[in-house]
Amino acid sequence: GENVEQHPSTLSVQEGDSAVIKCTYSDSASNYFPWYKQELGKRPQLIIDIRSNVGEKKDQRIAVTLNKTAKHFSLHITETQPEDSAVYFCAASDSPNDYKLSFGAGTTVTVRA
Amino acid sequence: NAGVTQTPKFRILKIGQSMTLQCAQDMNHNYMYWYRQDPGMGLKLIYYSVGAGITDKGEVPNGYNVSRSTTEDFPLRLELAAPSQTSVYFCASTGGVTLSNEQFFGPGTRLTVL
Repeated sequence: GENVEQHPSTLSVQEGDSAVIKCTYSDSASNYFPWYKQELGKRPQLIIDIRSNVGEKKDQRIAVTLNKTAKHFSLHITETQPEDSAVYFCAASDSPNDYKLSFGAGTTVTVRA
Repeated sequence: NAGVTQTPKFRILKIGQSMTLQCAQDMNHNYMYWYRQDPGMGLKLIYYSVGAGITDKGEVPNGYNVSRSTTEDFPLRLELAAPSQTSVYFCASTGGVTLSNEQFFGPGTRLTVL
């Protein structure tokens, strides 16, 4: 099955700086890559996703890039704000029939004021 | 729409007890999933279902059972609870690519086994 690795496990940034989280996946058949944000004690919520036929996608201050050849994808958050502090999970799906996701272990992002 | 709902929110079990975690969605999604999230870890897939009457094992199914008699409901059964099952359990659903691949999560059930 799919194996997703996520780095770093923790990330501390100054407010206004950028944050980058990187994930690698093992199954070249994976075709859907979502990113979820989970605030303390809350449920994971989708913040952005990308499909394998697209190399980059942007939504305001967040962007995701995908390198299919290298089998890695990254989340970029620009102009970080205190409300960006949370745990971020990457995931990959290689199952077009059941849409199962394999999740990375998560990155705890802390934005320092 | 309520989205994905889960009950109970919290539960403490004694070793060897059994319980059912309830999950329901009102989005007419065919695909439903149960995950567990251990402290500081990602989400591990326990069981999933691609439609009423169809279920399959995920990555960590041992000690759990599921059923899917309707499109809306996907209960998770714990038999003979063990301390290793202490975790937060999330249910999720998606309509698949025809709607969106996005998985919508319930609020979670925090289970402690003592």
